[in-house]
Amino acid sequence: KQEVTQIPAALSVPEGENLVLNCSFTDSAIYNLQWFRQDPGKGLTSLLLIQSSQREQTSGRLNASLDKSSGRSTLYIAASQPGDSATYLCAVTGANSKLTFGKGITLSVRP
Amino acid sequence: GAVVSQHPSRVICKSGTSVKIECRSLDFQATTMFWYRQFPKKSLMLMATSNEGSKATYEQGVEKDKFLINHASLTLSTLTVTSAHPEDSSFYICSARDGRIGSGEQFFGPGTRLTVL
Repeated sequence: KQEVTQIPAALSVPEGENLVLNCSFTDSAIYNLQWFRQDPGKGLTSLLLIQSSQREQTSGRLNASLDKSSGRSTLYIAASQPGDSATYLCAVTGANSKLTFGKGITLSVRP
Repeated sequence: GAVVSQHPSRVICKSGTSVKIECRSLDFQATTMFWYRQFPKKSLMLMATSNEGSKATYEQGVEKDKFLINHASLTLSTLTVTSAHPEDSSFYICSARDGRIGSGEQFFGPGTRLTVL
């Protein structure tokens, strides 16, 4: 059974700092990996999707990497801003086309 | 593109009543829709997968007679929580995917907050 782990559960950083959010998964037989953002009481916003054949994806200040063999992904946020404060969820799509989510990392960027 | 809507966004009901939540794909055809449930500070838990025109496939531990799912068209799926009880209070999120597109990406709705009194 696939398990996705995100540690730590919460992170607080000062504005302007570059930061890395980590995600690990137990079964490397994945179809793709996605990073999502969730604001309190809201749905999910897809940030980046990395296919299993890819190593990284970039969008603006965000860069996500995937190392399928070691079961790890990182989300790099450059020059963090208070507006980046949210919960970041990592999810993998398995061969059964189902998404398995981590519990998320709640990020707070202090002005 | 790839917008998914949910209605209602928030609902409060009395114990014992039934509540219907709608999930619509606005600008693409959703061959598959997924229903998730999220408890506070917990990850999303997949409840069921539905393919258009077929019966939904429920995850282990999810009561199919309590959570009725209908996916009658390529743009609409509904989740009906029957005889709701306080323990059914949760945040319900749907997602949709066009299975004919190779990326397999799921697009998520904004969620529905259900409170059962």
